[in-house]
Amino acid sequence: DTAVSQTPKYLVTQMGNDKSIKCEQNLGHDTMYWYKQDSKKFLKIMFSYNNKELIINETVPNRFSPKSPDKAHLNLHINSLELGDSAVYFCASSRFRGNEQFFGPGTRLTVL
Amino acid sequence: AQSVTQLDSHVSVSEGTPVLLRCNYSSSYSPSLFWYVQHPNKGLQLLLKYTSAATLVKGINGFEAEFKKSETSFHLTKPSAHMSDAAEYFCVVSDRYNQGGKLIFGQGTELSVKP
Repeated sequence: DTAVSQTPKYLVTQMGNDKSIKCEQNLGHDTMYWYKQDSKKFLKIMFSYNNKELIINETVPNRFSPKSPDKAHLNLHINSLELGDSAVYFCASSRFRGNEQFFGPGTRLTVL
Repeated sequence: AQSVTQLDSHVSVSEGTPVLLRCNYSSSYSPSLFWYVQHPNKGLQLLLKYTSAATLVKGINGFEAEFKKSETSFHLTKPSAHMSDAAEYFCVVSDRYNQGGKLIFGQGTELSVKP
């Protein structure tokens, strides 16, 4: 059983398109996160939801919009994709804020 | 503000020799500290965590780390490297009581293991 899953694993798209990445966790955790890993492998938090409430919203272009339909899901929608959005996006979850986080396998987004 | 500095971007060791990956942190509060490992094209796996209990923390696969408040360090060690340890390692700090529990990642240390 996969604890934190993401779909798709790979996403190749053209500039200007809109795309979504889905994340689901079956751990019963309250808090979920989105991270971006750039080409130099640096990881940075983008968003966090606790019980469907947005609690962290870092300096991210408003083309990025997270949506949490329920505690087990946190999706990431990206409008008007740009070349600089190419990265690996990781979803994570934790039982509570500040606990260790469990990461999904990542979604490699390539914008052409 | 919290921050993490991993002192080496790349460490190379021979199989069977000790591993030392260095990490210094900065935190205004009592931090939680973690080490995560990322194998090529994989997600991140938690190796170990410090959350104000014992200062010497044992993790998976023979890794351990020691929290030294006076030195603001949390170095990762392993007595004997294995080929399968070759990966990217991240030192991470979190303030569970503030900032929503977000993780602040170091820049990563790439560990190479030579046969």
